[in-house]
Amino acid sequence: RKEVEQDPGPFNVPEGATVAFNCTYSNSASQSFFWYRQDCRKEPKLLMSVYSSGNEDGRFTAQLNRASQYISLLIRDSKLSDSATYLCVVNSYYGGSQGNLIFGKGTKLSVKP
Amino acid sequence: DAGVTQSPTHLIKTRGQQVTLRCSPKSGHDTVSWYQQALGQGPQFIFQYYEEEERQRGNFPDRFSGHQFPNYSSELNVNALLLGDSALYLCASSLSGEWSNQPQHFGDGTRLSIL
Repeated sequence: RKEVEQDPGPFNVPEGATVAFNCTYSNSASQSFFWYRQDCRKEPKLLMSVYSSGNEDGRFTAQLNRASQYISLLIRDSKLSDSATYLCVVNSYYGGSQGNLIFGKGTKLSVKP
Repeated sequence: DAGVTQSPTHLIKTRGQQVTLRCSPKSGHDTVSWYQQALGQGPQFIFQYYEEEERQRGNFPDRFSGHQFPNYSSELNVNALLLGDSALYLCASSLSGEWSNQPQHFGDGTRLSIL
């Protein structure tokens, strides 16, 4: 079983649609959770951290369920500019600092006019 | 405020050669991590450097080695290059200690092609 698993893509949606990405992780000791966005041939960029209480940033909402080891990202009113690959990422601390990030394979989103 | 910078941006090598990639962390960061991203995959952790020492290592062979300098910059060295080493190599920096819960910041990456 992979450490971080994501929905297989690609997701092709029309502008204005709501789209949800799901992710599961296998290491119950994981301590930090993130969604990164990666545009084609670019570096990953942090989209948002994910907190146990759930958090929202504009059109984006992230949820974490530690008991089920499940993370989600909801994008409302999707825009053409949301087209990218979305990476689910978990992290464990090591020696007082961030340990290595474990990435999912990513889910590609294409928003069409 | 300079972010993470990597050099070179692109590199073409042949099998059996050696390569050195460079990374300067974001200002104020003291920890550098290296990742390899093959086409269509998520980044895979190679190793992490802190206080000029390798602190953690992923599942990569000894052909992959690194170094961190007193100014926190870092190098990734790969010996005896294989076709399968073709990938985007990403450097990420972070801060230890009190701010260790802050996310890692990535550089633009070095795209390495092996012929």
